[in-house]
Amino acid sequence: NAGVMQNPRHLVRRRGQEARLRCSPMKGHSHVYWYRQLPEEGLKFMVYLQKENIIDESGMPKERFSAEFPKEGPSILRIQQVVRGDSAAYFCASSPPGDWGNEQFFGPGTRLTVL
Amino acid sequence: GEDVEQSLFLSVREGDSSVINCTYTDSSSTYLYWYKQEPGAGLQLLTYIFSNMDMKQDQRLTVLLNKKDKHLSLRIADTQTGDSAIYFCAESTSGGSYIPTFGRGTSLIVHP
Repeated sequence: NAGVMQNPRHLVRRRGQEARLRCSPMKGHSHVYWYRQLPEEGLKFMVYLQKENIIDESGMPKERFSAEFPKEGPSILRIQQVVRGDSAAYFCASSPPGDWGNEQFFGPGTRLTVL
Repeated sequence: GEDVEQSLFLSVREGDSSVINCTYTDSSSTYLYWYKQEPGAGLQLLTYIFSNMDMKQDQRLTVLLNKKDKHLSLRIADTQTGDSAIYFCAESTSGGSYIPTFGRGTSLIVHP
């Protein structure tokens, strides 16, 4: 059973370009979470999704950031018109369905560098 | 201030015990977690404890919870160089969909 997969592992973009980060949850997991880790800081929650639904986006910046988790395919975190402050590691985690105060399984992260 | 606080660095000698401390502010925390992050990798859940427990032991790991003081610690016995990593404390509540709030992480350096 493969773990959570993220691609690309490293992404370089120039200011103003778009960044698309992909996350494939573990098999059987229907909950996906995105976090951002700035240098020397902890993970900050961004968004929590289930298939075709955004459950909690309280950590998402109001502009330029969006996320989706379609019925088929990976979850996508999209950052439009990137700025230098978007440079960070973006981690995806998944968990199985159910109400249990869940164990989240993390992917290896995508390290975004904005030039 | 931060909801979850932990010291940033800890240096220990191989074979000694390591104790990483964490404090949190949310008195309704339901679950408390310790995650490990190795360089260039994602977070790996090491262990967790329910808020109605005060201790949990798992091989070399011992978690102690003082709910009154909102203090959590992780003790690693017989620390090895492979334990060098960043350790994150986190807490979650049912009201927050169990989404963990993380501390900034403690860098554990194990030297021979």
